[in-house]
Amino acid sequence: ELKVEQNPLFLSMQEGKNYTIYCNYSTTSDRLYWYRQDPGKSLESLFVLLSNGAVKQEGRLMASLDTKARLSTLHITAAVHDLSATYFCAVDVRGARGKLTFGQGTILTVHP
Amino acid sequence: SAVISQKPSRDICQRGTSLTIQCQVDSQVTMMFWYRQQPGQSLTLIATANQGSEATYESGFVIDKFPISRPNLTFSTLTVSNMSPEDSSIYLCSVGSGPKETQYFGPGTRLLVL
Repeated sequence: ELKVEQNPLFLSMQEGKNYTIYCNYSTTSDRLYWYRQDPGKSLESLFVLLSNGAVKQEGRLMASLDTKARLSTLHITAAVHDLSATYFCAVDVRGARGKLTFGQGTILTVHP
Repeated sequence: SAVISQKPSRDICQRGTSLTIQCQVDSQVTMMFWYRQQPGQSLTLIATANQGSEATYESGFVIDKFPISRPNLTFSTLTVSNMSPEDSSIYLCSVGSGPKETQYFGPGTRLLVL
């Protein structure tokens, strides 16, 4: 059974600080997704990481994938209040594309 | 990216009744996926809906409780049958789109069962 674990589950940050969210998964996969969810809203796709060593950046967020370690990171640089949301990582496997297994989610709160 | 709509956006239902949720996509897709997000929780895959064949259900979900239709390549329905308060959740449909098969999610249907 594929398991996906995120940490931390809760993250309270000050504006301007940097931090990293970690996503570990239990089986071989070459595809990892990061999503953002605002309260009462659906999921917004942030990144799709497709290969070992993949790195994607968008604004203050940067995601990376290490398939050998079965680890992805979402790095937040100089956090701002607008980044407050819940962040999910998810994994699917070859032969079952689209059937995502999600991590627990990380609730990020950025304080002034 | 795919544009996905769902109806209804929210509903309040009495226990023992059923609700059918619709998912419409702006392009043809082979597979559509239905997820549940219980309050304060992550998302769990309910089933995969393929056009022209029976839906395939994940462990813990059964067709009698969550019947699914997939009449064409742009539309699917999920019915939540004989509802109980434990069915109160957000139900989301998802499709893959684009060269990287990014998985996109609909806006969700927020269901409260009293």
